[in-house]
Amino acid sequence: GAVVSQHPSWVICKSGTSVKIECRSLDFQATTMFWYRQFPKQSLMLMATSNEGSKATYEQGVEKDKFLINHASLTLSTLTVTSAHPEDSSFYICSARDTLPGGFNYGYTFGSGTRLTVV
Amino acid sequence: AQSVTQPDIHITVSEGASLELRCNYSYGATPYLFWYVQSPGQGLQLLLKYFSGDTLVQGIKGFEAEFKRSQSSFNLRKPSVHWSDAAEYFCATHTGGFKTIFGAGTRLFVKA
Repeated sequence: GAVVSQHPSWVICKSGTSVKIECRSLDFQATTMFWYRQFPKQSLMLMATSNEGSKATYEQGVEKDKFLINHASLTLSTLTVTSAHPEDSSFYICSARDTLPGGFNYGYTFGSGTRLTVV
Repeated sequence: AQSVTQPDIHITVSEGASLELRCNYSYGATPYLFWYVQSPGQGLQLLLKYFSGDTLVQGIKGFEAEFKRSQSSFNLRKPSVHWSDAAEYFCATHTGGFKTIFGAGTRLFVKA
């Protein structure tokens, strides 16, 4: 089945530095990927939609200059948290939409998530 | 706007007992509905999905869900819970723009 690989699984960084998280679709092409954020004991909140070859679409309240998204190929989207601060500490998860032919017969596959801790 | 509601924040069941996790949706037309499971510190795994057709959907790990339009519900069920089923369960739907909207989640505890 479709597999999405997300790296790193966890990262600790100093306040003020930037962190890049990668999301790769391993066995399918993903024209669209999604980035979510999850605070402890809470649900997932969509941050942005990443489209291959175009600018990402951010949800209301998400700072696009802080959370840089690049979707340069059909198998890779990256989320860079710039000038990270402790309040950015969270669990970030990506998902990819499998572009199967034949219309609405696809699924969403999620990565295993990245635990970011900013100290 | 489309949304899903999970009224139970947490549920505790005994191992071997049956399970039902509630999910209500809000959408005028037939929604696309999903159930995901998340183990601590892990990503999400799709259990099952409903798009149309048979209202009783079979998923992985022995789970099933029934779409009931009259009740705007899509409850997840399992006849006999195993200790390994302890996790967070999310009901979800998605918009026409294919954005997944998650419910608040229900934490399942399994007691021996």
